[in-house]
Amino acid sequence: EVHLLESGGGLVQPGGSLRLSCAASGFTFSSSAMNWVRQAPGKGLEWVSTISGSGGSTYYADSVKGRFTISRDNSRNTLYLHMNRLRAEDTAVYYCAKAIAAAGWEWFDPWGQGTLVTVSS
Amino acid sequence: QSVLTQPPSASGTPGQRVTISCSGSSSNIGSNTVNWYQQLPGTAPKLLIYTNNERPSGVPDRFSGSKSGTSASLAISGLQSEDEADYYCAAWDDSLNGWVFGGGTKLTVL
Repeated sequence: EVHLLESGGGLVQPGGSLRLSCAASGFTFSSSAMNWVRQAPGKGLEWVSTISGSGGSTYYADSVKGRFTISRDNSRNTLYLHMNRLRAEDTAVYYCAKAIAAAGWEWFDPWGQGTLVTVSS
Repeated sequence: QSVLTQPPSASGTPGQRVTISCSGSSSNIGSNTVNWYQQLPGTAPKLLIYTNNERPSGVPDRFSGSKSGTSASLAISGLQSEDEADYYCAAWDDSLNGWVFGGGTKLTVL
């Protein structure tokens, strides 16, 4: 069974940094693109970033470009999100999600349970 | 302001059929497939429909998806109380080079 477990969330001051982790199991991690999606309190879903299976390709939402870095360690089956220069508007539950690809199309399945990041002084 | 437009709310009584719309543009829905996610209260999102109209195993056939041009729809027939949740559409956007989501539709079963 595919399982994703996020960790690393917490309270951080504006301008600070945080690193989120997503431990994966139950599938060949290096074969799957992975994603981070966030949800601010009481708001909808917002895609944050995607990384290819090899780690050679990365994509970012404009709202985090230049501040966040997605990476992965395929030897440890772990996905990361390095967040710098955090702002109050980055406060959200951060989900990692596995990408499934077929016939040129992709979707996210499954999703982890999420980890809460709160940016506040 | 989300790139994909969904109605903020929808409702129906048990047994009814409800539809949720998702409107986009040529750079997202118009040129890529649409996925739908269901988020039950207090839980993580779950895949409901992929590539416009495919259901993952375990998803009841009461749920169906369709796409036409730059719009997509999610239909739920035989509405049940456990269907009360938030529903999100999503698609890749070729112009933004990233995924875009709808703002979500909160479904209430009356």
